[in-house]
Amino acid sequence: SQQGEEDPQALSIQEGENATMNCSYKTSINNLQWYRQNSGRGLVHLILIRSNEREKHSGRLRVTLDTSKKSSSLLITASRAADTASYFCATPFWVGAQKLVFGQGTRLTINP
Amino acid sequence: DVKVTQSSRYLVKRTGEKVFLECVQDMDHENMFWYRQDPGLGLRLIYFSYDVKMKEKGDIPEGYSVSREKKERFSLILESASTNQTSMYLCASSRGYSGNTIYFGEGSWLTVV
Repeated sequence: SQQGEEDPQALSIQEGENATMNCSYKTSINNLQWYRQNSGRGLVHLILIRSNEREKHSGRLRVTLDTSKKSSSLLITASRAADTASYFCATPFWVGAQKLVFGQGTRLTINP
Repeated sequence: DVKVTQSSRYLVKRTGEKVFLECVQDMDHENMFWYRQDPGLGLRLIYFSYDVKMKEKGDIPEGYSVSREKKERFSLILESASTNQTSMYLCASSRGYSGNTIYFGEGSWLTVV
């Protein structure tokens, strides 16, 4: 399988704290995406980072990419109860591929 | 807004039945996907289509087939449903080159009894 791995599998923090999730992948990539899934629903795109970028921000989200280590991290700052969801990283099957491989996800719980 | 619509949210089928899962997108996207999601296994790609009548196998195509006769519609077919195909099925679409956002439907929960 080409699936990547997310770490941790589950994370529980207090509202207002920062949440960091990590993703490792196996093949060379030209981009990496992060998605969010509320319980029992479809996935929603959060952010894309290209292989020539090291860091990208979107609102309270910060994504980093280290292609030498084949890893990425997603940081959510000042977490809110509404951030409770599963978060997935996704990479192309191969460089330039349109098909994406998803990791197994990190289940994030924000406690009020 | 992009809309990917899966025809059935919840289905219960019997072992051996032929099952059709339908998906329609309204954004004229070239690519369409069927994923399966199981606890502990994440999302796994079943089939991918990059154009009308074109398809590629994903990681787990066994026991499934697909049909794409029109650009906006992508159907997943279980020729003879089995209990190990009980799962959540997610349809998605995207524009035709790498790096584009994939838009997902809300999912279809299939139970095979």
